[in-house]
Formats: sequence, structure tokens, C-alpha cells
Amino acid sequence: NAGVMQNPRHLVRRRGQEARLRCSPMKGHSHVYWYRQLPEEGLKFMVYLQKENIIDESGMPKERFSAEFPKEGPSILRIQQVVRGDSAAYFCASSPDRTNYGYTFGSGTRLTVV
Amino acid sequence: KNQVEQSPQSLIILEGKNCTLQCNYTVSPFSNLRWYKQDTGRGPVSLTIMTFSENTKSNGRYTATLDADTKQSSLHITASQLSDSASYICVVSVGDSWGKLQFGAGTQVVVTP
Repeated sequence: NAGVMQNPRHLVRRRGQEARLRCSPMKGHSHVYWYRQLPEEGLKFMVYLQKENIIDESGMPKERFSAEFPKEGPSILRIQQVVRGDSAAYFCASSPDRTNYGYTFGSGTRLTVV
Repeated sequence: KNQVEQSPQSLIILEGKNCTLQCNYTVSPFSNLRWYKQDTGRGPVSLTIMTFSENTKSNGRYTATLDADTKQSSLHITASQLSDSASYICVVSVGDSWGKLQFGAGTQVVVTP
């Protein structure tokens, strides 16, 4: 039973390019959460999605960031026109329902903007 | 202002010794409190989850306590091992519609031989 799978593990982008981060939840989990972790800081909530729906995006920057969780396939966090300040570790978690018990994290994608 | 504060920021202990990490929170309404272990370069892994009515929970050599009145929690590591070197993160679930998680900044524990 594979856990939460994130890819790529490491991503390097030049300023102005687009970054696409993928997250496949655990089998049987239909709730996905994205977090960002800056060096020396705690994880910060970005967005909570259920299949085809955004439930809570209160932590998402207003511009350049978007997320989706289509009916088929992984959840995607998209960052357009990346800047150096976007460099961080991005973690995805999934859970089987809204109670967030059974919450499981992926190993993260480390984005470096050069 | 972070609603979950952890102390100390970092800790060095000798292998075999015990240590206690602290967590204070102001999150309201409260649903549950979790402790996670995060190894370098990995995602957080759950150690314990406690609801309002629970004041202690153990997972092997890890024991967490919760005082919901004073909004304090601690994580005690007994007979530390080199593999305990990691960041330990206190996380509080908000008791609203979907239980958003508020993360502390973590305590970095280094166990030395």
C-alpha cells in the first residue's frame, strides 16, 4: 500500500518559469492538502482539495499559485512565473475524510528557483 | 503571530538520556493535538494524537501529555537513540468545519553518541 507520492522530489526552475508539483494521495484517500515549508519555519497551510473541488484556499497566495485535484490523476500545485522567494519544500498530505484523522504526508518536493 | 509555540528551538542530548519538549498553543476552538517527527528531507510522520479529553498518550519511547486548561503539551523521549535525531513538531487541529492544522516551528533534536 503505497503512501502519498510526490514528484518530482527536487525541482530547479529559473526565475519566470512555471513549476508543476504532483501529488498522488494514498489509496482510498480523496482529500488532499498542500503545505509550504520555508527553511527554519513550520509548515504553512496552502490549500485543501477534494476531488474536483477546492474546499479551502485561504493559505494560497493571490497570484501565480493554483491547485487542482481532477477526477482522474494526481493533484497538481502550479506556480507560474516563479521567483526566488518561492524556493521551499512543498508537502502534500491526504486523508480519507474531513476529520483529518489518518492524515499522511508525502516526502515533499524541494523547489529551488535560480 | 504563530498560534503554536514550541521550546526549546533545538536540543542536543546524549544517547540513552531522556528529554522533554514543550508546546504552548492559543488555537481556538481546539479539536486535537498531534506530535509529528520529521526526519531531514522527509515528510512529517505522526507520533501521537490527543483529543480534549485525553491527557497522556504513548507510542513506544514517546509519551505526550496534554493540559487543555492551560493549553500546554509536552513530548517526552525516553532512552534516546541516534535515530531520534529529527525535528519534532507540535500540531493543533482547529475545531472548525474541517479541522485545519496549525503547525509549530518544531524542536530540532540531535542525539549524540
